[in-house]
Amino acid sequence: GAGVSQSPSNKVTEKGKDVELRCDPISGHTALYWYRQRLGQGLEFLIYFQGNSAPDKSGLPSDRFSAERTGESVSTLTIQRTQQEDSAVYLCASSPTPGPIDYGYTFGSGTRLTVV
Amino acid sequence: AQTVTQSQPEMSVQEAETVTLSCTYDTSESDYYLFWYKQPPSRQMILVIRQEAYKQQNATENRFSVNFQKAAKSFSLKISDSQLGDAAMYFCAYRRNSGYALNFGKGTSLLVTP
Repeated sequence: GAGVSQSPSNKVTEKGKDVELRCDPISGHTALYWYRQRLGQGLEFLIYFQGNSAPDKSGLPSDRFSAERTGESVSTLTIQRTQQEDSAVYLCASSPTPGPIDYGYTFGSGTRLTVV
Repeated sequence: AQTVTQSQPEMSVQEAETVTLSCTYDTSESDYYLFWYKQPPSRQMILVIRQEAYKQQNATENRFSVNFQKAAKSFSLKISDSQLGDAAMYFCAYRRNSGYALNFGKGTSLLVTP
C-alpha cells in the first residue's frame, strides 16, 4: 500500500485479556519496527524485523509480549494477559533495508491500547 | 546507551515568527544520524528533517533547518515563518550508523498562536 497501515486504530480491553495488533508495512520495505509510546513520553523501541526474522527483540518489556512477521509483509504484535501499564499507543514503522544512507522510517498512525 | 534530551516540554510561537526547539544527545559514536519528527494529533510520526553526522553542513528543508553542533552534541530545529499547521509534538531522534533502532527524546509540544 501507499503507507503503513495499522489496525485497529483504537482498542479497549479488559485486564488479563490477550490482544493482537496488526501492522501492514509499505510494499517492498524489508525492515519493520514496533515502538511503544506511553502518555507524555517519547517512543520506546520494542522489536525490529528484517524480513521475517527478528534480530533484535531486546525492547520487548516482558515475556507477555511477542511479535511475528509473515515474509516481508504483515506483522502482528501480541500482548498476553494485558496489564494496565500496557496502555499506550503502539506504533509500527517500516523502511527499506537499513544501509549507509538512511532516509528515516515511515510510521503508521498507531493503535491506542487502553486496558481497563 | 545513547540518550536524547529535549529540555523544553512546551513551546509557543506566534504565526509567521521563528521558533527554535532544542535537542542534545549523548553518544560515543562518531558516525550517526539525527532526525526531527513531527507528531500531529493523528499520531502518525512525520519525518521533518534528517542530518548525517559526517556532514558539517546543516540540513534544510524549506522552512525547517537545523543547527548541528557535533562537538557540543546539540541538534536544534528552527522553524521559520511558523504556520498554524506546524502545531504538533516534535521529537528528536538518534540512530547510530551501524544500528537500526531510533532513540527518541520525550518531545516538545509546539503551540502556534494566531
